Amino acid sequence: AQKITQTQPGMFVQEKEAVTLDCTYDTSDQSYGLFWYKQPSSGEMIFLIYQGSYDEQNATEGRYSLNFQKARKSANLVISASQLGDSAMYFCAMRGPGDNFNKFYFGSGTKLNVKP
Amino acid sequence: EAGVAQSPRYKIIEKRQSVAFWCNPISGHATLYWYQQILGQGPKLLIQFQNNGVVDDSQLPKDRFSAERLKGVDSTLKIQPAKLEDSAVYLCASSLMVGQGEQYFGPGTRLTVT
Repeated sequence: AQKITQTQPGMFVQEKEAVTLDCTYDTSDQSYGLFWYKQPSSGEMIFLIYQGSYDEQNATEGRYSLNFQKARKSANLVISASQLGDSAMYFCAMRGPGDNFNKFYFGSGTKLNVKP
Repeated sequence: EAGVAQSPRYKIIEKRQSVAFWCNPISGHATLYWYQQILGQGPKLLIQFQNNGVVDDSQLPKDRFSAERLKGVDSTLKIQPAKLEDSAVYLCASSLMVGQGEQYFGPGTRLTVT
């Protein structure tokens, strides 16, 4: 069963503007973790941000923030003040849930293009 | 701190040949993962080790894929014999412990099977 859904195959954003990348997940468990990774054309996956299912505050890391809406089962990534170097694939991932705490499930990714 | 190391970075082989990939995780990371990423898709977990024991290999095609982590540090993933559909990037990742923290990924090995 699909655990992570990213419905935007590709996105364009103007440099210096903010952009939101969507991610929804599927679980009935209460304990899980949500991650966002960036994958530039070089291929390496770079960890961006983490949100635990019990965290009450939305996670933030510099220009990245995670808009966590538990009831909607969404974990959207917001990138503020986009830069040309943000052009890459972005993957949402979930660890868990429940007894499957050692499993990671990745979405299909969103390709972000930042225009000058 | 050194990151996750993988080699080779690129490999081209013919179908039915064998190939091996090597991964050295971040020092002190007990958990090691091998993923297969087919072009245009997200990574798919093949196998996960905790120290030198297998935690999960439910998605590893065991008729042709094998992996080991004998001393609980570096790991080798082997494909024998390779098929055309094995063309993908093979990513290795590590984390401190099972179920804790984020995973750190290596640069990957891009395999092309012709």
